[in-house]
Amino acid sequence: AQTVTQSQPEMSVQEAETVTLSCTYDTSESDYYLFWYKQPPSRQMILVIRQEAYKQQNATENRFSVNFQKAAKSFSLKISDSQLGDAAMYFCAYRPPFNYGGSQGNLIFGKGTKLSVKP
Amino acid sequence: KAGVTQTPRYLIKTRGQQVTLSCSPISGHRSVSWYQQTPGQGLQFLFEYFSETQRNKGNFPGRFSGRQFSNSRSEMNVSTLELGDSALYLCASSLGLVATNEKLFFGSGTQLSVL
Repeated sequence: AQTVTQSQPEMSVQEAETVTLSCTYDTSESDYYLFWYKQPPSRQMILVIRQEAYKQQNATENRFSVNFQKAAKSFSLKISDSQLGDAAMYFCAYRPPFNYGGSQGNLIFGKGTKLSVKP
Repeated sequence: KAGVTQTPRYLIKTRGQQVTLSCSPISGHRSVSWYQQTPGQGLQFLFEYFSETQRNKGNFPGRFSGRQFSNSRSEMNVSTLELGDSALYLCASSLGLVATNEKLFFGSGTQLSVL
């Protein structure tokens, strides 16, 4: 079964510093998608960044970037120049490929990492 | 454009009762997915509806059901509530099926407490 593991239940970073959140996953598939979602106290899940497994280039979105290591099944999120508004729960998610009679492509989430940002 | 709207925000029920949660997707979105979020189990997929048909279902008992209307609005129903059903229920919408790599947009959820 596919699983997503976030080994850091909580992380803390100083404002303006850089922090890296870890995520590993288990799959036998070769084509899939990986995501990082942010959930602030408002509870709304917000997509931070997305990575297609067939792309070797790491995805970036402004201050957010990922380190995608396909062979190691690792997908870490780096937040640069951390801001107070970055404080939230961060969830790593995996979406398997669609295949008839099997997976229909729903998201599988890790348990999350709570990020605190110190002023 | 309005985001995904879930109502109510909070709900308190007692064991044995049933509950209906509502989700209005972003205008133009045809797929609605539901997820259950608890501290112990994390986020777990419930089901996905597209064009009024359930397209995908997670590993939940039959007490959990849903439907989608012609305007893409969706409801999920939980019958014979148990204490363990206490959770944040999140709805997400997308233009097309999640399997076609559409981006998911989430609502703020309905916090259900079962006493």
